[in-house]
Amino acid sequence: AQSVTQPDIHITVSEGASLELRCNYSYGATPYLFWYVQSPGQGLQLLLKYFSGDTLVQGIKGFEAEFKRSQSSFNLRKPSVHWSDAAEYFCAVAPGSGDKLTFGTGTRLAVRP
Amino acid sequence: EAQVTQNPRYLITVTGKKLTVTCSQNMNHEYMSWYRQDPGLGLRQIYYSMNVEVTDKGDVPEGYKVSRKEKRNFPLILESPSPNQTSLYFCASSPAGGGTDTQYFGPGTRLTVL
Repeated sequence: AQSVTQPDIHITVSEGASLELRCNYSYGATPYLFWYVQSPGQGLQLLLKYFSGDTLVQGIKGFEAEFKRSQSSFNLRKPSVHWSDAAEYFCAVAPGSGDKLTFGTGTRLAVRP
Repeated sequence: EAQVTQNPRYLITVTGKKLTVTCSQNMNHEYMSWYRQDPGLGLRQIYYSMNVEVTDKGDVPEGYKVSRKEKRNFPLILESPSPNQTSLYFCASSPAGGGTDTQYFGPGTRLTVL
């Protein structure tokens, strides 16, 4: 069955440190890949998405993600975390254009001062 | 301001008492969807609508109803709520193309069924 996995439930990093959130998927072909962020008390907001082309994707708020076909991964990174990045992050995957999104279970990020 | 609104934001009710959560978007989007978010399960789609009068089941439709009589509104109806429907609910919309279009989420409705 197709699935998307976020292996880390909680991550804590110090402000200014680098961040990498993991996302692995199980699909037959290259799916459509997304990262959404949910700030406390708010709805989800799209950070970035990958459909094809350059495997390093730039998003909003200084985030980037890299698609690695060989590892079936789409990890989210940020070189220097700010306190305002504390939130829950969701990876989402769809098999093809117009298909339904399947969300991962989320990774909650805490930022130490 | 372009947005998706949901009402109410918080609701406590009792088993069996019918309720409706409203969702409205002002972006003229074709596609709208309802999700529920539960700890450890992420977001799961309840129902979606590709256009007016076109709705379809998502992953967890049991116990829910929806309607899409106008493009801007997509209410979620719980005819006889049960405690296992206690959850955080999100409405989302996108211009077209289903889930792979950028989705815009409402602020969420936290429902507690006693």
